[in-house]
Amino acid sequence: AQTVTQSQPEMSVQEAETVTLSCTYDTSESDYYLFWYKQPPSRQMILVIRQEAYKQQNATENRFSVNFQKAAKSFSLKISDSQLGDAAMYFCAYRWNNDMRFGAGTRLTVKP
Amino acid sequence: EAQVTQNPRYLITVTGKKLTVTCSQNMNHEYMSWYRQDPGLGLRQIYYSMNVEVTDKGDVPEGYKVSRKEKRNFPLILESPSPNQTSLYFCASSQLALSTGGLYNEQFFGPGTRLTVL
Repeated sequence: AQTVTQSQPEMSVQEAETVTLSCTYDTSESDYYLFWYKQPPSRQMILVIRQEAYKQQNATENRFSVNFQKAAKSFSLKISDSQLGDAAMYFCAYRWNNDMRFGAGTRLTVKP
Repeated sequence: EAQVTQNPRYLITVTGKKLTVTCSQNMNHEYMSWYRQDPGLGLRQIYYSMNVEVTDKGDVPEGYKVSRKEKRNFPLILESPSPNQTSLYFCASSQLALSTGGLYNEQFFGPGTRLTVL
């Protein structure tokens, strides 16, 4: 079965600095989707960024970008110019067909 | 406004008392799913549905039931809740995924239901 691993339960970053959250996954499929979701204290799940596995170009959304290494099955999230509002739990997720898997999450703290 | 709604948002109940958590979406999505979120485990899929009258088990289906009689609704039923079902529950919906890519695959999540079983 596909698994998603986030090896950093907690991370901390200084405001305005850059932080990278790690994610690895295990799959035998070639076409799939990868996501990063943000969960603030409100508990709402908010999509941050999405990457299609067939695309070699790394996805970017404003201050958020990914480093997608398909061969290594790695999908890290980089947050640039961190803001206090970025403090949240971040989940990496994998989807193939209608099978969706989540990592255990990384809690990000942003220090002023 | 496109959204997924869940009710109730908070529920405290006792062991063995049947309960239903409702989920509704207004985006005409074929696919709907239920997850539970537990500390250190992330979100785990309970059941999913690819269309009306089509449901299937996820990773942790024991103790839960679902039904999909209408496209917009996907209730989660706990026939005899137990304390180990205390958790945060999310309903989500999306367009049906295709394995070849190119189809918008984002899942839209409801606000969550905090369930406590005493």
